[in-house]
Amino acid sequence: GQSLEQPSEVTAVEGAIVQINCTYQTSGFYGLSWYQQHDGGAPTFLSYNALDGLEETGRFSSFLSRSDSYGYLLLQELQMKDSASYFCAVRVDSGGGADGLTFGKGTHLIIQP
Amino acid sequence: DSGVTQTPKHLITATGQRVTLRCSPRSGDLSVYWYQQSLDQGLQFLIQYYNGEERAKGNILERFSAQQFPDLHSELNLSSLELGDSALYFCASSVAPGPLDEQFFGPGTRLTVL
Repeated sequence: GQSLEQPSEVTAVEGAIVQINCTYQTSGFYGLSWYQQHDGGAPTFLSYNALDGLEETGRFSSFLSRSDSYGYLLLQELQMKDSASYFCAVRVDSGGGADGLTFGKGTHLIIQP
Repeated sequence: DSGVTQTPKHLITATGQRVTLRCSPRSGDLSVYWYQQSLDQGLQFLIQYYNGEERAKGNILERFSAQQFPDLHSELNLSSLELGDSALYFCASSVAPGPLDEQFFGPGTRLTVL
C-alpha cells in the first residue's frame, strides 16, 4: 500500500514563509501533488512534481526529492486567505495505469495576524 | 468553480437505506473519480472511470458501486448504509486518466446517515 506523512497542524504569521513537509512510501510512483482545501470546500490543485527539484507558481513553490521520498510545499508572503488544509497526494500505478490519488491526512495551516 | 457538478449537495438518510450520488464532469473530461472524506479516514480514493469503463478501484466497499454513462456523467450508489458511511463524497474529473492529468474536484455531497 501507500502511505504519506505530513504534520497535522502548522501555525505561521501573516506575511511570513511556511514550509509543509511530506514523506511518502509507495510503489509505482508517478509524482507528488499538493491540494488546498478550505473548510467545507473542495480540494483544489496547487502543484505537481514528477521530477526532482523546485517548481514555482506565484507565492507557492513545491519541491520533490525522489531518492528521499520527500517533498514540501512552500508558501510565501502568507495571507489570511491561505488558512486552509493542505494535502500532499501521490498517484500510483497498480498495474492498469495511473490510479486515483492517495492523500496524506492533511496539514491544517493557521495564519495569525 | 471547477466545472464539475454534483447533486445533491446534502443528503440525510437512515441506516439500511440506499442512495445515489450524481456527478457531471467538466466539459471535455473523459475520466471521473470518486473520493470519500471523513474525519477518521481522511480523503480516500474509491473508484475511477474512463470513457464509460471502470479503470481502477481504491478502498471501495462491496456495498458501494458506481458507473459512468455514455454522456460521461457518473453515479455512485451506496447501499445498506451504516452510520460510518456519513462523509463528504467528492467527484473529480480529468481530461484523461494519466498521471499528468490534473483532477478537478466538484463541491461534494455531504451524506449523513442517522
